[in-house]
Amino acid sequence: GNSVTQMEGPVTLSEEAFLTINCTYTATGYPSLFWYVQYPGEGLQLLLKATKADDKGSNKGFEATYRKETTSFHLEKGSVQVSDSAVYFCALHSPNFGNEKLTFGTGTRLTIIP
Amino acid sequence: KAGVTQTPRYLIKTRGQQVTLSCSPISGHRSVSWYQQTPGQGLQFLFEYFSETQRNKGNFPGRFSGRQFSNSRSEMNVSTLELGDSALYLCASSLGEPYNEQFFGPGTRLTVL
Repeated sequence: GNSVTQMEGPVTLSEEAFLTINCTYTATGYPSLFWYVQYPGEGLQLLLKATKADDKGSNKGFEATYRKETTSFHLEKGSVQVSDSAVYFCALHSPNFGNEKLTFGTGTRLTIIP
Repeated sequence: KAGVTQTPRYLIKTRGQQVTLSCSPISGHRSVSWYQQTPGQGLQFLFEYFSETQRNKGNFPGRFSGRQFSNSRSEMNVSTLELGDSALYLCASSLGEPYNEQFFGPGTRLTVL
């Protein structure tokens, strides 16, 4: 079956540091890949996505590249801010019509200190 | 456009009781999915409804059930509550076909005492 393995947290960084959160996946076919973010007391928000190999998703300074050869979708940001403190989830969707199910990683809690 | 809404936001129940949670999707969205989020198990898929039909189901006991109405609103029900059912229950909606981005609601925090 499908699975997502995500970097264990928590991760604590200083403001303006470089961020990498690792994500690898196992899936049949060609899944779509996502990063979701969850702020305290809220639901999940889609941060970025990529639907095919070598696609780069980007949003709010975050980037992730769909690497089929390494089955990875690592999240990066060049200079983090305190407001980026949240829990980040990597997820995949298998391309079967009639199936909206997302498979999530365990989440990585990120704390940015001023 | 209004986002996904979930009611109630917080619930406290005791073991053995049952509970019903409600989700109103974004207008025009026909697919509603439910997820359970716990510190130990993370985000787990419960089920998905599309046009009032359950299309997909996760690995949860039969105590967990759901339905979808003609206006796409969905409810999920948990009967005979157990302590382990304490969780954040998230609902997500999407257009449904072909696969589109899923939009999540704020969740319902269920505490079972």
